[in-house]
Amino acid sequence: NAGVTQTPKFRVLKTGQSMTLLCAQDMNHEYMYWYRQDPGMGLRLIHYSVGEGTTAKGEVPDGYNVSRLKKQNFLLGLESAAPSQTSVYFCASTQGWTGEQYFGPGTRLTVT
Amino acid sequence: KQEVTQIPAALSVPEGENLVLNCSFTDSAIYNLQWFRQDPGKGLTSLLLIQSSQREQTSGRLNASLDKSSGRSTLYIAASQPGDSATYLCAVRVTGNQFYFGTGTSLTVIP
Repeated sequence: NAGVTQTPKFRVLKTGQSMTLLCAQDMNHEYMYWYRQDPGMGLRLIHYSVGEGTTAKGEVPDGYNVSRLKKQNFLLGLESAAPSQTSVYFCASTQGWTGEQYFGPGTRLTVT
Repeated sequence: KQEVTQIPAALSVPEGENLVLNCSFTDSAIYNLQWFRQDPGKGLTSLLLIQSSQREQTSGRLNASLDKSSGRSTLYIAASQPGDSATYLCAVRVTGNQFYFGTGTSLTVIP
């Protein structure tokens, strides 16, 4: 049982490049989330999904897109990376509305 | 917008000491509150989840309490050990499936 996994672990992009971060969970959770963590600002919710085929905006959605084509996977896309998107990105999942959040190990992204 | 504050930002204690970490939030309309630990360069590990209808939760040497009316939660760590050194984060779940995190308390337990 791997829990929540994220791919890749590290990535360096140049301004304007695009990339997709993959989150996978094997706990059959309905809800999945993408966060970014920046020094001094805590974790902030980017987008979330309450089930396969659904997505919704969180607190800081601008510059990101997401897709949830399969229940176990949640993808985060950056269409045109900017230096302000340099951050550590975390994925999480919960079983239900008030369930415990389980986090992945994170992806460290640097945009130059 | 919900604001979550954790004070102090850093704490250093000798091994064996009992300690309390604080989390405060501005809007009492929460569904639950969760405490996490985060080791350097790692993800978040869940410690305790308290639903809005509960007052406290316990797991081993950890005890978390919740007072919604005053907008406060505390995490009590008994008999601290060097392995407890980490950053401790609290997060509240509010309506609209939003979560708000504090910026954490960095704990160092000195052997």
